[in-house]
Amino acid sequence: GDSVTQMEGPVTLSEEAFLTINCTYTATGYPSLFWYVQYPGEGLQLLLKATKADDKGSNKGFEATYRKETTSFHLEKGSVQVSDSAVYFCALSDSGGYQKVTFGTGTKLQVIP
Amino acid sequence: SQTIHQWPATLVQPVGSPLSLECTVEGTSNPNLYWYRQAAGRGLQLLFYSVGIGQISSEVPQNLSASRPQDRQFILSSKKLLLSDSGFYLCAWSAEEGEKLFFGSGTQLSVL
Repeated sequence: GDSVTQMEGPVTLSEEAFLTINCTYTATGYPSLFWYVQYPGEGLQLLLKATKADDKGSNKGFEATYRKETTSFHLEKGSVQVSDSAVYFCALSDSGGYQKVTFGTGTKLQVIP
Repeated sequence: SQTIHQWPATLVQPVGSPLSLECTVEGTSNPNLYWYRQAAGRGLQLLFYSVGIGQISSEVPQNLSASRPQDRQFILSSKKLLLSDSGFYLCAWSAEEGEKLFFGSGTQLSVL
């Protein structure tokens, strides 16, 4: 079945540091890929998505490129801020008739001033 | 605009007690509805989804059940909680043809 593997956290970075959170996936079809973010005390919200190979999703300075050849969707940001501290989830959705989304385990990011 | 409400935010229950978590969506019609569980150190596991009133599909066999008595209401229940039911439960909805999930703020359930 479908699965998502992402790097374990927590990840601790200083403000303005470069961020990479690795994510790889296994899927039988051609899934859409997502990054969701969960700020402290809140539910998840969509950060960015890519629906086909070589697409780049971007939002709030975060980027991720759909790499079919390496089955990866790594999240990057050039300069993190304290407000980026959150848990980040990589996810994929299959092409079924409903939106079944498979999530990774989440990576906690802590940015210190 | 659409909003999703989920309650309670935290719940501590003894083993063997019943459970009822409620989720409602406002501002949309005929949403797809989902219950996910986030256990410590694991990703979000899809428990149930529903594409319409009274239509419930279960992804994993377990001690829980779900019901959808109204178009925008989704309830997660258990007759007798187990220790392994502890976790963070998230309700979510998506538009019928959309890919984006919208999540509630979650319920932290501790079974003692």
